[in-house]
Amino acid sequence: QKEVEQNSGPLSVPEGAIASLNCTYSDRGSQSFFWYRQYSGKSPELIMSIYSNGDKEDGRFTAQLNKASQYVSLLIRDSQPSDSATYLCAVKKGNNRLAFGKGNQVVVIP
Amino acid sequence: EAQVTQNPRYLITVTGKKLTVTCSQNMNHEYMSWYRQDPGLGLRQIYYSMNVEVTDKGDVPEGYKVSRKEKRNFPLILESPSPNQTSLYFCASSLTPTRYGYTFGSGTRLTVV
Repeated sequence: QKEVEQNSGPLSVPEGAIASLNCTYSDRGSQSFFWYRQYSGKSPELIMSIYSNGDKEDGRFTAQLNKASQYVSLLIRDSQPSDSATYLCAVKKGNNRLAFGKGNQVVVIP
Repeated sequence: EAQVTQNPRYLITVTGKKLTVTCSQNMNHEYMSWYRQDPGLGLRQIYYSMNVEVTDKGDVPEGYKVSRKEKRNFPLILESPSPNQTSLYFCASSLTPTRYGYTFGSGTRLTVV
């Protein structure tokens, strides 16, 4: 099993709808989880971090963590065309390292 | 402005010609790291550094060298580049990656012909 998996293909959502992204991880001992946004041709930008089970909200973004099931998700409410990007999930590995998933592309259709 | 600065942004070189990609951060971060990003493979860590003179291999260190002689600088060295090192490279820094995540530089697109 890969360290961090993001299996969904490109996600197309209408403007104003909710975009839902999922990420699973293999290390049951992982404690820190991050979501990055990467626009085409740009560098990854940290948008959310979560460390405890449950939901964490920041503006239109909500991160959800379920350690028992080893998944973390990201919800984007009221999706805007500016949300069109690739979203990367990252999970803490040992020795202060981060492992990244391959990313999910989100396309918001006006 | 707090930032991670990489140079150059674009580089085309020939196989075997040694090159260095520079990285500098102005945030007094302890941790610095190099990643490469390839289509279908995502971001993979090459090397990372926990402090001055302390470095360790990431997931794909073969063919690369790094040094951390000063806290702010973390250059990536390709002693003998090969075409399979054609990639998009990112330098990143953090106070504590597992708490704050990484701040990434703008990237260096390297082509080895």
